[in-house]
Amino acid sequence: DGGITQSPKYLFRKEGQNVTLSCEQNLNHDAMYWYRQDPGQGLRLIYYSQIVNDFQKGDIAEGYSVSREKKESFPLTVTSAQKNPTAFYLCASSLRIWGDNQPQHFGDGTRLSIL
Amino acid sequence: AQKITQTQPGMFVQEKEAVTLDCTYDTSDQSYGLFWYKQPSSGEMIFLIYQGSYDEQNATEGRYSLNFQKARKSANLVISASQLGDSAMYFCAMRELMKTSYDKVIFGPGTSLSVIP
Repeated sequence: DGGITQSPKYLFRKEGQNVTLSCEQNLNHDAMYWYRQDPGQGLRLIYYSQIVNDFQKGDIAEGYSVSREKKESFPLTVTSAQKNPTAFYLCASSLRIWGDNQPQHFGDGTRLSIL
Repeated sequence: AQKITQTQPGMFVQEKEAVTLDCTYDTSDQSYGLFWYKQPSSGEMIFLIYQGSYDEQNATEGRYSLNFQKARKSANLVISASQLGDSAMYFCAMRELMKTSYDKVIFGPGTSLSVIP
């Protein structure tokens, strides 16, 4: 079945450490996104990408980095510069980045905590 | 400024009853899309239903329907015949056409729905 796979499901980060969250999709979607969700809140956009080798900052990009070397993969690195990384991270994709009737498809998320 | 408002942080509904989850939005664009997503406790976001700003009829998908009132800028989700599996967080989202090539999707804070047996 087509879908989005995020790994790991749970991740722990030590002080000063960078960690990378994986996101893979086999839906042949052009657009991919990373969101952060804090308890009791909606989703906030970290980064998005509409094509291979291109990505743009979202609303809360500071302390995060991404790459898009392959169409199906969009890993997110939480760097040591992100001082409050504890949150639930969701990866999403959509057929294209524009067009108002295309829903985003989401992965199951990664829960990141600080040790 | 918050563009999506969901005024009900928590809702309860009896099993088999219908429930309406409120969503109001703010935009000056004429062309936009409205989405509802369900997030169970396991965390994944499940797309439920879509309404385009130019759609004249309210969207329906099985037990889900969207009560779209464009002049009031409201897009309420109606779930008929509630089931225990409907207990989850529900998020309203809006996609605005931007002047750039990226359509921004804005999510509301969510409503927690609990279905009581």
